[in-house]
Amino acid sequence: EAGVAQSPRYKIIEKRQSVAFWCNPISGHATLYWYQQILGQGPKLLIQFQNNGVVDDSQLPKDRFSAERLKGVDSTLKIQPAKLEDSAVYLCASSASGRNTGELFFGEGSRLTVL
Amino acid sequence: KNQVEQSPQSLIILEGKNCTLQCNYTVSPFSNLRWYKQDTGRGPVSLTIMTFSENTKSNGRYTATLDADTKQSSLHITASQLSDSASYICVVNYPGGKLIFGQGTTLQVKP
Repeated sequence: EAGVAQSPRYKIIEKRQSVAFWCNPISGHATLYWYQQILGQGPKLLIQFQNNGVVDDSQLPKDRFSAERLKGVDSTLKIQPAKLEDSAVYLCASSASGRNTGELFFGEGSRLTVL
Repeated sequence: KNQVEQSPQSLIILEGKNCTLQCNYTVSPFSNLRWYKQDTGRGPVSLTIMTFSENTKSNGRYTATLDADTKQSSLHITASQLSDSASYICVVNYPGGKLIFGQGTTLQVKP
């Protein structure tokens, strides 16, 4: 079974530029999450989708971050314009049964460096 | 406020030695508590899952324990190997579906 796929693995941009990350979850997983992980810290939830609907985006900085999951399968996370403090690893995860009982399966992450 | 605090922040041990990582949570009960292992440059992978009523759960050389009285979980690694070098993250799943992540413990196993 294929795991969660993310791209690109690495991205270096200058502040005020834009960037987009892509995630393809495990086939059949209805729930998709985007996490931000700053070096030395645990992952912080940015947004959770259930199929193509948003369940929780309370910690998403909506002035610069946006995410979509149009067909309920793959998802994109966009940052525009980027700030220095956005340097982090962006992890995508999926689960089959939602957060109450399901194990999260993570991709390898997209490492963003903002100069 | 639901919080999950892990200690120590980092740990260095020699290959073959045992170690114990701690996870303290503030609010109970919860649905389940998971320990994840995150290798450098990779996403976290689940090691163990414990429900609120369980006291211990093993997965090979990894044993997780839960003490509901002290609101603490421990992850014990026996006979450490170089491949155990990673970050270990405690995640508490609360009723209502909210996941709270600890900040992780970075373990380095030296030969």
